[in-house]
Amino acid sequence: AQTVTQSQPEMSVQEAETVTLSCTYDTSENNYYLFWYKQPPSRQMILVIRQEAYKQQNATENRFSVNFQKAAKSFSLKISDSQLGDTAMYFCAFIKNRDDKIIFGKGTRLHILP
Amino acid sequence: NAGVMQNPRHLVRRRGQEARLRCSPMKGHSHVYWYRQLPEEGLKFMVYLQKENIIDESGMPKERFSAEFPKEGPSILRIQQVVRGDSAAYFCASNRDRGNEKLFFGSGTQLSVL
Repeated sequence: AQTVTQSQPEMSVQEAETVTLSCTYDTSENNYYLFWYKQPPSRQMILVIRQEAYKQQNATENRFSVNFQKAAKSFSLKISDSQLGDTAMYFCAFIKNRDDKIIFGKGTRLHILP
Repeated sequence: NAGVMQNPRHLVRRRGQEARLRCSPMKGHSHVYWYRQLPEEGLKFMVYLQKENIIDESGMPKERFSAEFPKEGPSILRIQQVVRGDSAAYFCASNRDRGNEKLFFGSGTQLSVL
């Protein structure tokens, strides 16, 4: 069975700093999808970034980028120039194919301090 | 184009009562997924429905829980005879086509059982 592990329950950084959130996963699949979702206090689940395992290039979305290490089964999220609006829970997630259900990690609560 | 709409946002029930959670998918979306988030946990899959059909209910508890997505109207997640352990945030997500790689989530319904 696939698992997703986020080892940092909570983190705090100063505004404008760079922060990296860790995620590891376990699977025997070769092709799959990985995601980072953001859940602000409004509770809305917002897709931040998506990575397809067969793509070697790391995905980026503006200030958000990932470090995808397939052999190590690691998928960390880097937030550059952090902003107060980045304060949220961040969930790492995995699906082995498009038809599969999403498996979420337990989340990392990120506080951006003014 | 309105997003995925869930109501109510908060629902309070006493033990033994019924809870009905509603989800209106995005316009043009005929695939609906329900996820549950327990406190300090990631989301966990419950059920996947298409119009008038349950496709995958492998994450649904065998008793007291049911879901439907009629031809007309919203998808309904129904919990009968609620217990304290049912207290959670229930999220709905939708997609135009089958596939979990790009789901759109609602803001969830927070169910509190007294």
